[in-house]
Amino acid sequence: AQSVTQLDSQVPVFEEAPVELRCNYSSSVSVYLFWYVQYPNQGLQLLLKYLSGSTLVESINGFEAEFNKSQTSFHLRKPSVHISDTAEYFCAVSPKAAGNKLTFGGGTRVLVKP
Amino acid sequence: EPEVTQTPSHQVTQMGQEVILRCVPISNHLYFYWYRQILGQKVEFLVSFYNNEISEKSEIFDDQFSVERPDGSNFTLKIRSTKLEDSAMYFCASRGDRGFNSPLHFGNGTRLTVT
Repeated sequence: AQSVTQLDSQVPVFEEAPVELRCNYSSSVSVYLFWYVQYPNQGLQLLLKYLSGSTLVESINGFEAEFNKSQTSFHLRKPSVHISDTAEYFCAVSPKAAGNKLTFGGGTRVLVKP
Repeated sequence: EPEVTQTPSHQVTQMGQEVILRCVPISNHLYFYWYRQILGQKVEFLVSFYNNEISEKSEIFDDQFSVERPDGSNFTLKIRSTKLEDSAMYFCASRGDRGFNSPLHFGNGTRLTVT
């Protein structure tokens, strides 16, 4: 079984400031890792994913996440946030051997203030 | 860009009533899912569906739940006799193929309120 912990339920941040959203997971098997974003009144959208290879992955809108196997973490960062980044962010994992089922963290609500 | 469409956006029903949540996955997708999120809790996997049968289901997905792909476009989740604790946001998702190079596309969700 897998579990995902997002340590911060809410993160207020000023526009143009950096933000880091923490994600730790536990699993007895190897997993793929994901970050999803949910903008207000919308569904979940894939932000970025780690499948293999370079441990640093980037999204098209400036977010990046680094897979740290020894710390079982997949923290999400952005060096300078915009108002439009206000959303809820979900970390998720899925077993490599059975890729159908995502296990989500509790989500982190990011509120970007002007 | 193609979208997963869910209807209705909000459904209110009385305890004990049957409810059907509807989803139209992306047209060329082959794998279909339902997830739910009870208010204040994590998004939870319910069921996955491929080739007209359930491929995996969670402990939550008991005999009160069923899924169906009645035609070539719709994918439905039925709850036979709703309970108060079924109140949640229900998300439908679809994927083109099994690998994660094909990302999971989620709908905007149906908020189910059981009174």
